[in-house]
Amino acid sequence: GAVVSQHPSRVICKSGTSVKIECRSLDFQATTMFWYRQFPKKSLMLMATSNEGSKATYEQGVEKDKFLINHASLTLSTLTVTSAHPEDSSFYICSARDDSLLGIQYFGAGTRLSVL
Amino acid sequence: AQSVAQPEDQVKVAEGNPLTVKCTYSVSGNPYLFWYVQYPNRGLQFLLKYITGDNLVKGSYGFEAEFNKSQTSFHLKKPSALVSDSALYFCAVRDPLGAGGSYIPTFGRGTSLIVHP
Repeated sequence: GAVVSQHPSRVICKSGTSVKIECRSLDFQATTMFWYRQFPKKSLMLMATSNEGSKATYEQGVEKDKFLINHASLTLSTLTVTSAHPEDSSFYICSARDDSLLGIQYFGAGTRLSVL
Repeated sequence: AQSVAQPEDQVKVAEGNPLTVKCTYSVSGNPYLFWYVQYPNRGLQFLLKYITGDNLVKGSYGFEAEFNKSQTSFHLKKPSALVSDSALYFCAVRDPLGAGGSYIPTFGRGTSLIVHP
């Protein structure tokens, strides 16, 4: 099946630093990618929709200046958490939608971010 | 607008017994429906989809789901549960026409499946 690579899988950083998370679709093209945040009680929260070559669309309540998204190619999207704070600690998951007709979403393995 | 509901927070079954994880949806047109499974500290894995055609859809790991238009349901099933099936299961719906901003799929809150020996 289709593979989405997300890196790093885990990152620990100091408060105030920035962290970049990469999401790559390995064997398909993805004009559209999604970034989710998953909370301890399991629900997925869609943060933003990333479209190749254009600005990301952020969900209500998500700070676009804090969570910078870049979708520079059909196989790569990055999420940068700027000036991270402890409350940003979470599990971040990216997803890429296959550009074929069916548009199935495939997910990365997630990134556990811990801000000290 | 589209929405999806997973009415059960948790489902417990004994190994070897059949399992059902429920999902109901609401969408203006004909839905695209998906099931995903998530193991601890991992991303979601695609299990199966319904786009059109046969109402009974077979997917990975012996799972299947039945699309019921009249009941607007897409329950996930497996005839004989394994302990290794214990995980978090998400149902998702998408309006293929993308009407009303629903081009983005909506995910349910997830159901935790526990299969005990």
